Amino acid sequence: TQLLEQSPQFLSIQEGENLTVYCNSSSVFSSLQWYRQEPGEGPVLLVTVVTGGEVKKLKRLTFQFGDARKDSSLHITAAQPGDTGLYLCAGAASGGSNYKLTFGKGTLLTVNP
Amino acid sequence: NAGVMQNPRHLVRRRGQEARLRCSPMKGHSHVYWYRQLPEEGLKFMVYLQKENIIDESGMPKERFSAEFPKEGPSILRIQQVVRGDSAAYFCASSLTSTAVGTGGHEQYFGPGTRLTVT
Repeated sequence: TQLLEQSPQFLSIQEGENLTVYCNSSSVFSSLQWYRQEPGEGPVLLVTVVTGGEVKKLKRLTFQFGDARKDSSLHITAAQPGDTGLYLCAGAASGGSNYKLTFGKGTLLTVNP
Repeated sequence: NAGVMQNPRHLVRRRGQEARLRCSPMKGHSHVYWYRQLPEEGLKFMVYLQKENIIDESGMPKERFSAEFPKEGPSILRIQQVVRGDSAAYFCASSLTSTAVGTGGHEQYFGPGTRLTVT
């Protein structure tokens, strides 16, 4: 069974601060996706990383996939209250079942004005 | 350009009743996935369907749960004789393809979910 551990579980910061959240596993994934989920809604896809060592930027968000494709990080620069939400990472299995996503429990981020 | 649609958004059932959850995938998507999110837990894969075919139901309980994706109409997740432990948020996702890692076609887009409460 593949497991994804996300840390920290909770993060409360002030507007303008930087932060990094982590997603770690002992398993290799064919790709990894980051989602943001707001209360009462479904996860919204932010980015997919596929290649080991890959870095993708989405405005103030920087996503990195580990060289071994077992871990990932999300860095937010100058956080804003609109960044508040539950950040989820999800790994796609290697091989024939790569449609099956394994989710971490998420990092609940609160950005205070 | 409608995204994944699910209905109802909220469903209350008494123990022993049936729950039917509906999912319409994004336009052009023929792959549908169902996930369940229990309180304090991450989303868990339940089942993967293509039109008229169940491809992988390894995450779905063997009893009381069934899923279908008919040729016409939405995908349905059906829970018979619900129990309190079935209370959860059920999410449907769809993708353009299921493989083709690296081209983005396999990316899964989620609906808003159905919150099932069993009383």
